[in-house]
Amino acid sequence: AQTVTQSQPEMSVQEAETVTLSCTYDTSESDYYLFWYKQPPSRQMILVIRQEAYKQQNATENRFSVNFQKAAKSFSLKISDSQLGDAAMYFCASHRGNDMRFGAGTRLTVKP
Amino acid sequence: EAGVAQSPRYKIIEKRQSVAFWCNPISGHATLYWYQQILGQGPKLLIQFQNNGVVDDSQLPKDRFSAERLKGVDSTLKIQPAKLEDSAVYLCASSWRQGTYNEQFFGPGTRLTVL
Repeated sequence: AQTVTQSQPEMSVQEAETVTLSCTYDTSESDYYLFWYKQPPSRQMILVIRQEAYKQQNATENRFSVNFQKAAKSFSLKISDSQLGDAAMYFCASHRGNDMRFGAGTRLTVKP
Repeated sequence: EAGVAQSPRYKIIEKRQSVAFWCNPISGHATLYWYQQILGQGPKLLIQFQNNGVVDDSQLPKDRFSAERLKGVDSTLKIQPAKLEDSAVYLCASSWRQGTYNEQFFGPGTRLTVL
């Protein structure tokens, strides 16, 4: 079974600064996907970024990028030029076959 | 395209009562998921449908929870009777098909409070 651990229950960042959210996972599979989802107070889970495990290149989506360390089973999310609208819960998830596992989440606060 | 629709958005019931949640996935999506998200935790998969068949319900408390997707489109999740620990947000998601990798699109969820 897959497990996903987010060790930072809360993080804060100053507007326009950079913040990194941590995630570690454990899977015995070689083919899997990793995701970061954003969940604002509206509760809608929004996909931020995804990483295929077989790709060595780190995924990037505009201000969001990941640092994928496959051997260490680490998958951190970097948010650059933080904006007030980035404030939300962020969930790391691991997906293999029909099995999708989420971490407990990190609450990100953005200070103006 | 329209997103995943869920209703109601909020529901408050007393323990031992019954409750049902409805989900309409994105048109054309064959796979539908129900998740339970307890406050302070990440979503946990309860059940997964492929068209109108169950793919995985290993984490569904079958003594009180049931779900159906009769025509392979919309789905209903029922709790009967509810317990205090069932208080959570119930999220529905859909994807084009099952397996790694098909992006799951989530609905806004139903917040259930059991008193």
